[in-house]
Amino acid sequence: GAGVSQSPSNKVTEKGKDVELRCDPISGHTALYWYRQRLGQGLEFLIYFQGNSAPDKSGLPSDRFSAERTGESVSTLTIQRTQQEDSAVYLCASSPGGARETQYFGPGTRLLVL
Amino acid sequence: GQQVMQIPQYQHVQEGEDFTTYCNSSTTLSNIQWYKQRPGGHPVFLIQLVKSGEVKKQKRLTFQFGEAKKNSSLHITATQTTDVGTYFCAGRNSGYSTLTFGKGTMLLVSP
Repeated sequence: GAGVSQSPSNKVTEKGKDVELRCDPISGHTALYWYRQRLGQGLEFLIYFQGNSAPDKSGLPSDRFSAERTGESVSTLTIQRTQQEDSAVYLCASSPGGARETQYFGPGTRLLVL
Repeated sequence: GQQVMQIPQYQHVQEGEDFTTYCNSSTTLSNIQWYKQRPGGHPVFLIQLVKSGEVKKQKRLTFQFGEAKKNSSLHITATQTTDVGTYFCAGRNSGYSTLTFGKGTMLLVSP
């Protein structure tokens, strides 16, 4: 079946503009994660959705960042008033759910803030 | 909060040499996962270790989970150019709902 998809694959924006990044998880996966990866760096956890539970937002770096998920399907990560330090690859991952799940990553969205 | 540290950050080997990356957690882990990210790609799951002292092998790759479940290692025997990439460990503390990723070890293999 299809893997995790993300759109757009690349996004160039101007400082101060808002951006929306989309993630389509694998069908049936109840858990969805957003990560940020700066150039040459590791994965920085942003937010986690599990079913209908309240999301774990503990990784969001500021109130300019927010994310929503509709049921167990699509998720949107929104960055308001983008800054140059927001430039990074934003990775989405989904998993079937449970305590020992494997995460399946999407190809990421490469965001460049000028 | 939970911290996962990986060493080395970077290693450059000649094809045929062995390679090891180490992962250490500040807390006891319920399980640990390893991922590989090729240059320009996204992380891909390699394996999960759950039991204390567990050892798993995938061809030339050997994964170990420490007895105290606070450290892990990935060893590659006789590296090949196809092994190039960044290897991440990711640990889960039973008290947390998310994986904490290490910063990764970048492996470069010269032919």
